[in-house]
This record gives sequence, C-alpha cells and structure tokens, in this order.
Amino acid sequence: DQQVKQNSPSLSVQEGRISILNCDYTNSMFDYFLWYKKYPAEGPTFLISISSIKDKNEDGRFTVFLNKSAKHLSLHIVPSQPGDSAVYFCAAIGSNTGKLIFGQGTTLQVKP
Amino acid sequence: EPEVTQTPSHQVTQMGQEVILRCVPISNHLYFYWYRQILGQKVEFLVSFYNNEISEKSEIFDDQFSVERPDGSNFTLKIRSTKLEDSAMYFCASSSGTGDGYTFGSGTRLTVV
Repeated sequence: DQQVKQNSPSLSVQEGRISILNCDYTNSMFDYFLWYKKYPAEGPTFLISISSIKDKNEDGRFTVFLNKSAKHLSLHIVPSQPGDSAVYFCAAIGSNTGKLIFGQGTTLQVKP
Repeated sequence: EPEVTQTPSHQVTQMGQEVILRCVPISNHLYFYWYRQILGQKVEFLVSFYNNEISEKSEIFDDQFSVERPDGSNFTLKIRSTKLEDSAMYFCASSSGTGDGYTFGSGTRLTVV
C-alpha cells in the first residue's frame, strides 16, 4: 500500500540550476507533508514542511508546493548546490496518527 | 541544536540472539518513534510511543519487538530473537507533536548473521 510515492528514483542537475523533486499521495486525510534529506549512514534530516491547508511554504532556497486536487507536492531547490546531493524523502502525517509515511526517496545529484 | 542520540551505531548479532537498541530523545519531546530502513528500501514506521505506552504499531512490530522508556530519558527497542531479515538501519525519532517537530537520530545499523 504505497500511500506516498516518489516515482523518480534519481535526478541529476547542474549547480546553480533548479532541482524539482516530486511526490504523489493517495490519502486525502494527510495533515502535514514533510521533506527530509538523508546522507548515507545518517538519519533523515528535516528540511521543510507544509500544512494541508496551505499551497506553498518557502524557507531560503527550499520551497514546497502542494496541489491538493492533484494530490501532488513538489520540492524546489534553487539554486542547487553540490552539497545538496543526497536522498530526498517525501513524507506525510495523518490527522489521527503521528506516524510518518515515507516515499521511496529520490537521489539528487548536483554536478559542479 | 538538540539532537536524538542513538547507540550503538553498528551492532552485529547472531540469529536468534536478543538485541537492544538505545535512543536518547530530545528532552522536551513527548512522542517517540522507531523506524527502520532495509537496504535499498524506504523508511518504514515500526512503532510510536506516548505517555508511557505504545500508541500505534505497524504489522512489522510483532511479538518479537518491544519498546521501553525505562528511566525518563532513554527509549529502547528490543528484538527478542533476531532473524536475518531484521538486518536494517533502525532510526529513533522524537517529536513535540507539531507537524514539523520530528527529529531523527543517526540510526543503528543492525546486522544479523
């Protein structure tokens, strides 16, 4: 039961350009959506979140967009930097549960 | 910045042995979680813990698993009789309860041989 899906396993972009990571979900009861960044041998690190009542949240180079009608969210990183190279996980939290449901992850490579 | 601490970073154990994975959550957080990631797969929820009891658990969290908060600061995951398929990275997390207050530890890599 894949309630949160990241259909692109990998993405490669040039330094300075925009990275767009996509995520789709099936459960309309999710309250919050979060993006985590993960390096090998480390735990997921929280990047940015968005409440289901909003359609955009921005924090520095990171912006998350939520399209509830399409059940789709995306993370934009601009400008991309080589240090952004990592695995990015989309996750969602439901209204009556605290557990995170993760997508499969997208490996981002930012080339210098 | 407050962090969630997990020990050990790597544990190797023989099949059938018991293991205890330890976590020190952020001190003012109220919700505690264990997740795991089998190599090459996505991060999966195991269990959540609030007010000294399990609030939710997944199908993975069967009778071989248990959690405990023995002393008000540590949060442990015990696997009673490990199986080869328990080999994974186990992540502890804690939360203040708000949507963006979820902090993960660095994980314990469990290898069952």
